[in-house]
Amino acid sequence: NAGVTQTPKFRVLKTGQSMTLLCAQDMNHEYMYWYRQDPGMGLRLIHYSVGEGTTAKGEVPDGYNVSRLKKQNFLLGLESAAPSQTSVYFCASSAQREFTYEQYFGPGTRLTVT
Amino acid sequence: RKEVEQDPGPFNVPEGATVAFNCTYSNSASQSFFWYRQDCRKEPKLLMSVYSSGNEDGRFTAQLNRASQYISLLIRDSKLSDSATYLCVVRPSGGYNKLIFGAGTRLAVHP
Repeated sequence: NAGVTQTPKFRVLKTGQSMTLLCAQDMNHEYMYWYRQDPGMGLRLIHYSVGEGTTAKGEVPDGYNVSRLKKQNFLLGLESAAPSQTSVYFCASSAQREFTYEQYFGPGTRLTVT
Repeated sequence: RKEVEQDPGPFNVPEGATVAFNCTYSNSASQSFFWYRQDCRKEPKLLMSVYSSGNEDGRFTAQLNRASQYISLLIRDSKLSDSATYLCVVRPSGGYNKLIFGAGTRLAVHP
């Protein structure tokens, strides 16, 4: 059981380049999330999805787009990378069950934009 | 003001020590509370939920004070393997499983 996986693990981009981060989960979870983690800031929600074909903005959505074409996958896109997007990106998923709120995280993607 | 505030530490303690972390949250309508653990350069993982009556899991005790909007985590008999960052996490009211994460408190346990 792999849980939540993320691809790639590391990436260096130049300003203006684009890329897509892939998140996959094998737990049949309805909810999926993308966070970024910066020193001293805690995890901040970028976008989330409550089911296949649905996405919504989180706390810091500017500069990112997402898609959830399949229930098990949640993609995060950077169309024109900026140095301010240098961060560690975590994907997470959770079940849609009352009183079950645990989020399961992937190992993270370390992105540097130069 | 941050929605969830924690002392960033680091807390440097010897093995066997008892250490306590505190956390405050700003949204009085928050419904659920958790402590997550994050090892260096790893993903966060749920350590324990926090209940109004207080709860214990082995060497770990979590307390919630809704009136003061305050959460605590007590670790007894610290082990080297407890060295990590502890994230205070709050679930506000809402239709999906939104979680608000504190920036974390770093713990370093030394021999």
